[in-house]
Amino acid sequence: DAGVTQSPTHLIKTRGQQVTLRCSPKSGHDTVSWYQQALGQGPQFIFQYYEEEERQRGNFPDRFSGHQFPNYSSELNVNALLLGDSALYLCASSWDSDNPNEQFFGPGTRLTVL
Amino acid sequence: DQQVKQNSPSLSVQEGRISILNCDYTNSMFDYFLWYKKYPAEGPTFLISISSIKDKNEDGRFTVFLNKSAKHLSLHIVPSQPGDSAVYFCAASAVNNDMRFGAGTRLTVKP
Repeated sequence: DAGVTQSPTHLIKTRGQQVTLRCSPKSGHDTVSWYQQALGQGPQFIFQYYEEEERQRGNFPDRFSGHQFPNYSSELNVNALLLGDSALYLCASSWDSDNPNEQFFGPGTRLTVL
Repeated sequence: DQQVKQNSPSLSVQEGRISILNCDYTNSMFDYFLWYKKYPAEGPTFLISISSIKDKNEDGRFTVFLNKSAKHLSLHIVPSQPGDSAVYFCAASAVNNDMRFGAGTRLTVKP
């Protein structure tokens, strides 16, 4: 049983570009959350998707957007990249009927903005 | 706003001894608390949790204590093993709200 998978593993972009990160949830999970983890900090909640809709959102600008597909996989899009967007982006999945706080995390995508 | 704080960036203990990791929070609306463990190049892994209606939860070598009046929780690992060496994150959430993480504590267990 595959856990949460994310692609790509690493990514290098330049300021002003756009990036799309992808996440496949653990089998049986229907809820996907995205987090940004800057160096030396804990993960910060970006948003959560359930039933293909954004259900909750953290304190991130509109440059950060997402999507969830019918198979529960999800994408995170970031437009007009800034140097400060360099971070590890984590995807986490859970089953909505369980305690949604007990999420399973993927290994993350390391984004570097030059 | 840093609502969850882990004031010790690192902790080093001897194998077999107790490891105590601490976490403080400021939001009294938090009602569920979790600890995650993270190895390099992996995502955080859920370790143990506690509801605000309890003051202690135990799972094998891991015990989490919650002191609501002090807005403080701690994770005890007894006995500590070298494989426990990792970064430990404290997290907290309120009903229907997002989860807030601390900055993490790097635990090193020396053989």
